[in-house]
Amino acid sequence: EVQLVESGGGLVQPGGSLRLSCAASGFSFSTNSMNWIRQAPGRGLEWISYISSASSAIYYTDSVKGRFTVSRDNAKKSLYLQMNSLRDEDTAVYYCASGVSVFDMWGQGTVVTVSS
Amino acid sequence: EILVTQSPATLSVSPGERATLSCRASESVGNNLAWYQQRPGQAPRLLIHLASTRATGVPDRFSGSGSGTEFTLTISSLQSEDFAVYYCQQYDEWPPGTFGQGTKVEIK
Repeated sequence: EVQLVESGGGLVQPGGSLRLSCAASGFSFSTNSMNWIRQAPGRGLEWISYISSASSAIYYTDSVKGRFTVSRDNAKKSLYLQMNSLRDEDTAVYYCASGVSVFDMWGQGTVVTVSS
Repeated sequence: EILVTQSPATLSVSPGERATLSCRASESVGNNLAWYQQRPGQAPRLLIHLASTRATGVPDRFSGSGSGTEFTLTISSLQSEDFAVYYCQQYDEWPPGTFGQGTKVEIK
C-alpha cells in the first residue's frame, strides 16, 4: 500500500523550532520529487517547499525562505522539514506530497501550532 | 503571481444531481490546471490534472474542462462521498503553483 506518514508536529512558542518528518512506503521514494504543503485552520492550501528526487533542485515559497529547510534521505525513504524562527502564521496542518507541480500522493498531515 | 479564484464558495446540491464548480485564473495557464478533493478530516486527493485528465482511480462522474483562464469541474451525479471541499490549482507558473480558496459542496 502506498503510504506517506508525517510526524513531528506539536505546540511550539514563537521563535522556536520543529523538525517534521515524512516516512514513505509502498512506492519508489527515491525516484519521486516531494513537497511540503500546509493548510492553516479554516483556510486553503499553500505549497511551501519542493525537493527533487536527488535533492538537486530545492524551492521554497517566499514566506518561509531563510527559515525552513527541506531535505530527504532516500536510503531511509524519508522527507524532512526543519522549521526555525516559527511565527504565529505558521500554524497549520503540514502535508507531505509527491509530484512535480501536481501532487498525486498525500500524507494525512501533522499539526503544527505556534503559540505562546 | 497568478491568482486563482473559485466560485461559488459553497454549492448546495441534492444527491444524484449535477454539480458545476468554476475556477478562474488571473492570466492564462494553458491547460496546466488540477483539481483536488478534500473530505472532512482527510488529506486532499488529486482528481484531475491537465484540466481534463482524471487521475488513477477517479470515477468517470468527475470531469474537467476549460483552458486559458476559465475552468470547470463537473460532478455528473453526486454521491454521498462527493460532499467535500474542492480546490483547483494552477501549475503553469510553478513554483509556487497557486491554489484557489476552495468550493464546499454540501448536501441540500
